[in-house]
Amino acid sequence: DTGVSQDPRHKITKRGQNVTFRCDPISEHNRLYWYRQTLGQGPEFLTYFQNEAQLEKSRLLSDRFSAERPKGSFSTLEIQRTEQGDSAMYLCASSLDRSLGETQYFGPGTRLLVL
Amino acid sequence: AQSVSQHNHHVILSEAASLELGCNYSYGGTVNLFWYVQYPGQHLQLLLKYFSGDPLVKGIKGFEAEFIKSKFSFNLRKPSVQWSDTAEYFCAVSTNAGKSTFGDGTTLTVKP
Repeated sequence: DTGVSQDPRHKITKRGQNVTFRCDPISEHNRLYWYRQTLGQGPEFLTYFQNEAQLEKSRLLSDRFSAERPKGSFSTLEIQRTEQGDSAMYLCASSLDRSLGETQYFGPGTRLLVL
Repeated sequence: AQSVSQHNHHVILSEAASLELGCNYSYGGTVNLFWYVQYPGQHLQLLLKYFSGDPLVKGIKGFEAEFIKSKFSFNLRKPSVQWSDTAEYFCAVSTNAGKSTFGDGTTLTVKP
């Protein structure tokens, strides 16, 4: 399978704990995106990387959230001191930067439940 | 800032009925437009996209969409739906800067 993969697929944690999610993009894709999706809404942009550089972060991304893409390949998203409001599906997407027209390919997501 | 509005939250159709899902966006510059589909238990998949050229674009599974620049719209259509089209449909817009902005989705239920 050469699509975007995410791990874990499901995570249940207690409020106040830290969690880390991993995303493996399609190989040779230089852009990687993180989105969050809650019930009844579309995905909301969190942050994105071009290679290893984090180019943009949403205001939704509080200081408890941090994302890395150290070697320009896989990425991790960490949430510290989780809150119940963090419960959501966290989606990763990757794309190949083009001068015209960029298509993002999505992974299956990590569903987080904070108790 | 970009925004996307999908007018219908839930649409119920019988098989063979025609489908049109509305999508309007707000952004003053050049945009790329997408429709994604999410079947039950599966992840988001690209249905079709518009970057430039012919404003009528055709996608997979018989879907098409028309970009009307003057109306800031990108409506999705299918002449005859099937039970297997039951899914959630998301319209999205991006600029060449990268990130996509999604609508809140339309749940389509097709009755056999």
